[in-house]
Amino acid sequence: DAGITQSPRHKVTETGTPVTLRCHQTENHRYMYWYRQDPGHGLRLIHYSYGVKDTDKGEVSDGYSVSRSKTEDFLLTLESATSSQTSVYFCAIRGGTGKTDTEAFFGQGTRLTVV
Amino acid sequence: DQQVKQNSPSLSVQEGRISILNCDYTNSMFDYFLWYKKYPAEGPTFLISISSIKDKNEDGRFTVFLNKSAKHLSLHIVPSQPGDSAVYFCAAIYFYGNKLVFGAGTILRVKS
Repeated sequence: DAGITQSPRHKVTETGTPVTLRCHQTENHRYMYWYRQDPGHGLRLIHYSYGVKDTDKGEVSDGYSVSRSKTEDFLLTLESATSSQTSVYFCAIRGGTGKTDTEAFFGQGTRLTVV
Repeated sequence: DQQVKQNSPSLSVQEGRISILNCDYTNSMFDYFLWYKKYPAEGPTFLISISSIKDKNEDGRFTVFLNKSAKHLSLHIVPSQPGDSAVYFCAAIYFYGNKLVFGAGTILRVKS
């Protein structure tokens, strides 16, 4: 299994509070991604990173920010959580060498509930 | 605007028969296409991929076909097994932009 861990695995938070989700990898992969999974929408890309301090927006980036200060960590922050951000969040990594350059590996997911 | 589309939310197949999952895309700049499988409460796992310069790739029971002119790809599973029951996601990589985007998924149920 690829060395990728997400924390926390579950979180309940109140509307209006900030929340940070962490993705940690031990594979030294270049690319890191944050997705949210919702019924009927599949996996939607929130933000991604193509190197330390290099990030870009995905399809559903409003209300989210990210940071990558070192290769192994990619943080997703909800500045002021809303009920529409209740979802399951997945982190993925990609881009070692050869075959793994296209294949992405996923974490176990974080279930976030905003009440 | 979703660039990768899976228009069939679900598919039900008898054990031993062929499962065909379909995917359409709109961006002609995609370089690679991938299929992922997802069980409940787990992260997606990689199944098979295909380069945009090829039209077929096989791996055991799984074959992916790419029709670039139609911007369409399909995943064939032969023979289907009950353990194949899962959500299948089609994905595409736009190398120039480094993005990896997914479709909405298709729930496959293989009945024994």
